[in-house]
Amino acid sequence: AQSVTQLDSQVPVFEEAPVELRCNYSSSVSVYLFWYVQYPNQGLQLLLKYLSGSTLVKGINGFEAEFNKSQTSFHLRKPSVHISDTAEYFCAVTSNRDDKIIFGKGTRLHILP
Amino acid sequence: GAVVSQHPSWVICKSGTSVKIECRSLDFQATTMFWYRQFPKQSLMLMATSNEGSKATYEQGVEKDKFLINHASLTLSTLTVTSAHPEDSSFYICSASIGTSGRAFNEQFFGPGTRLTVL
Repeated sequence: AQSVTQLDSQVPVFEEAPVELRCNYSSSVSVYLFWYVQYPNQGLQLLLKYLSGSTLVKGINGFEAEFNKSQTSFHLRKPSVHISDTAEYFCAVTSNRDDKIIFGKGTRLHILP
Repeated sequence: GAVVSQHPSWVICKSGTSVKIECRSLDFQATTMFWYRQFPKQSLMLMATSNEGSKATYEQGVEKDKFLINHASLTLSTLTVTSAHPEDSSFYICSASIGTSGRAFNEQFFGPGTRLTVL
């Protein structure tokens, strides 16, 4: 079975400051990892995904994430946040065994002016 | 490409009535569609997986007679909440996958969600 842990339910950060949203996963098989963003009352938008290859993955809106197999982590980072980045961010995992996606509980990113 | 729509975007209904939510893949054929439920300030919980032309597979704890899923074509799946009650109020999100056999990974594309409020 797979699981995802997002350690922070909320992260406040000042505008133009860097941010890191943490994600750890657990799985007995090879995984595919994702970060999704959800703006209020909207569906999910894929920020980035790791399938294989380079462990540093670049996504949309200036976000990037690094897959660390030894630490079973897939933390999301952005060097300088903007007020428009205020949203809920979900880390998710799946595998090649089935198509089910397991979501973390989400991290709410608060951008402070 | 890979756009998924849902209709309606929001619906309010009286307790005891049934509500149908549609999920459409607009520019691709989806062999597999997924239905999720999201309560306020919580994560997405998978309710069921449906493959075109076959019965849906429900997750543990999800009542199949209450949440009827029909995947009649490669571009349309419907979720019907039967005899809805206030505790069914939630944000329902669907996703669709191309589901090419033999591929190790089939990406899911998410719809914008439907907010259901049962009075």
